[in-house]
Amino acid sequence: DTEVTQTPKHLVMGMTNKKSLKCEQHMGHRAMYWYKQKAKKPPELMFVYSYEKLSINESVPSRFSPECPNSSLLNLHLHALQPEDSALYLCASSQEMPADTQYFGPGTRLTVL
Amino acid sequence: AQSVTQLGSHVSVSEGALVLLRCNYSSSVPPYLFWYVQYPNQGLQLLLKYTTGATLVKGINGFEAEFKKSETSFHLTKPSAHMSDAAEYFCAVKSTGNQFYFGTGTSLTVIP
Repeated sequence: DTEVTQTPKHLVMGMTNKKSLKCEQHMGHRAMYWYKQKAKKPPELMFVYSYEKLSINESVPSRFSPECPNSSLLNLHLHALQPEDSALYLCASSQEMPADTQYFGPGTRLTVL
Repeated sequence: AQSVTQLGSHVSVSEGALVLLRCNYSSSVPPYLFWYVQYPNQGLQLLLKYTTGATLVKGINGFEAEFKKSETSFHLTKPSAHMSDAAEYFCAVKSTGNQFYFGTGTSLTVIP
């Protein structure tokens, strides 16, 4: 099974709302990632968790708050977002070795009004 | 430092024609190289990857890529384009650690 699942598929929120994105994998991967992707652009790395600890934070605004409750789950908590935060949010997972493939979920399409 | 350059943000080919998508990388250490495909409103799907060994790598859907160290290239090819190949293609490189470096992407259009 090489599946990464993400919920919800679509999310529309106002700038004062609080919402969360969820990602799950059951491949035993110990590294999990959040990416932000704008249309026709490559994914931009936001956060990396390694063995459930935050290892990379690419200077992401604090209105994005990641959480890794266990080795299979990754959340992204959203609060007070801006319209420019509207994008496709992708989750990925991999083993720890550099040669290992990152497996991507289908993404959550976020629209901030 | 690592970087990936994909020449041609848009490529159009006729159905049945050769597909060639270019990728050049810069890396201070031997790289691991990946090609991903993304269909509209979907995540990225691995087409193929090079780690070590044979420099000609075969992937899914009839795609293949050749690692040429002397040219620092990892171009993606497919002998005969199909309408279903229309998508966005990303080349990526890793060396150590977990971080991918993506190219800017190439949008492939297949003309019937």
